[in-house]
Amino acid sequence: NAGVTQTPKFQVLKTGQSMTLQCAQDMNHEYMSWYRQDPGMGLRLIHYSVGAGITDQGEVPNGYNVSRSTTEDFPLRLLSAAPSQTSVYFCASTPWSEAYEQYFGPGTRLTVT
Amino acid sequence: EDQVTQSPEALRLQEGESSSLNCSYTVSGLRGLFWYRQDPGKGPEFLFTLYSAGEEKEKERLKATLTKKESFLHITAPKPEDSATYLCAVQAGQGAQKLVFGQGTRLTINP
Repeated sequence: NAGVTQTPKFQVLKTGQSMTLQCAQDMNHEYMSWYRQDPGMGLRLIHYSVGAGITDQGEVPNGYNVSRSTTEDFPLRLLSAAPSQTSVYFCASTPWSEAYEQYFGPGTRLTVT
Repeated sequence: EDQVTQSPEALRLQEGESSSLNCSYTVSGLRGLFWYRQDPGKGPEFLFTLYSAGEEKEKERLKATLTKKESFLHITAPKPEDSATYLCAVQAGQGAQKLVFGQGTRLTINP
């Protein structure tokens, strides 16, 4: 199993541009989530999904959209990038039977200029 | 408001020098406390889940303990490969997704 994969690994955007961060898992996990990690702030939850077709907001959802059309994929869309969205983004997945053990992807480092 | 505070921010030890990392939390109705390890440039890796005060979990040189207000990650006779950032998180509210993370403790073990 590849586990949780994220693409791209690095990205530079100009203010106002939009893009999609990709996340996929091959473990048939029902739960998936997106976090951002900033120095001194810890990981903060952006959006999460409890299954295909079901998503909900986390702590810092503004400026981001998600959808979950399949169990495997959970893309994160930045609608109009802002410098405040410069961060490292992590996707995670969790099996239903072990709901608290989250498997994280390798991260995407995003810089918005 | 649910909150997690880790201390110290950074800790430097000599190989073999045991110590503890602290995670203090305030949450309405703790459903679980979690420890993760994060290596530079990588995603966090799950270590332990603790559910109730008095519970302990061990893995190699690491032991996690839980009280009603804090958790400790004890590191016994650490090796350089234990160098990493250790993250603590609590489950807040309904649903496994609502984790609140602390800022982490950056641990360096010198040979």
